Amino acid sequence: DADVTQTPRNRITKTGKRIMLECSQTKGHDRMYWYRQDPGLGLRLIYYSFDVKDINKGEISDGYSVSRQAQAKFSLSLESAIPNQTALYFCATSVNSPRGRETQYFGPGTRLLVL
Amino acid sequence: GQNIDQPTEMTATEGAIVQINCTYQTSGFNGLFWYQQHAGEAPTFLSYNVLDGLEEKGRFSSFLSRSKGYSYLLLKELQMKDSASYLCAVRRGNTDKLIFGTGTRLQVFP
Repeated sequence: DADVTQTPRNRITKTGKRIMLECSQTKGHDRMYWYRQDPGLGLRLIYYSFDVKDINKGEISDGYSVSRQAQAKFSLSLESAIPNQTALYFCATSVNSPRGRETQYFGPGTRLLVL
Repeated sequence: GQNIDQPTEMTATEGAIVQINCTYQTSGFNGLFWYQQHAGEAPTFLSYNVLDGLEEKGRFSSFLSRSKGYSYLLLKELQMKDSASYLCAVRRGNTDKLIFGTGTRLQVFP
């Protein structure tokens, strides 16, 4: 079973619709992240959370919101989707390591198309 | 500011060696990661460097020079399955936040 799961895996929606992307993890990690990936732009951080109820903006948070109600779950919402939010979205997790060698573990991604 | 540069695309032949370079300009450098990403899939961890020098792990090695803001990923004995994008990511400060380069798409030909 995958340690980091995302639902849905693919979604087509229309401009103006509200949509929620879900991320769940069984790794027991306290830190979770949402990224989007666009061709030619690489992975960009949207929001991140270091603990339940802890929410921090990343570099491109406008138009998005998140919720971290439990350690294992981190949800990303698009309140009113627009076409330039069409992208591949990844959730990631990591553990707080004083040694700093711990990597981030990525979910399988959600492909979102906004028409 | 922060900037990470890597070549957009590279090609190589099966069995050969390829070096993928990454240069970075960032304050508070605290480690550099390399990830492999096959098309449409999640990035997966390859290597981590925080001190200068070479880290070897099987067919893959990664090098870091902090004074030059430079890293490379070396892939030996290339296989067709190594065709993928390779992402360089820098961590700043004592957080786990990563800044990613745009990735290098490697194509391995028979």
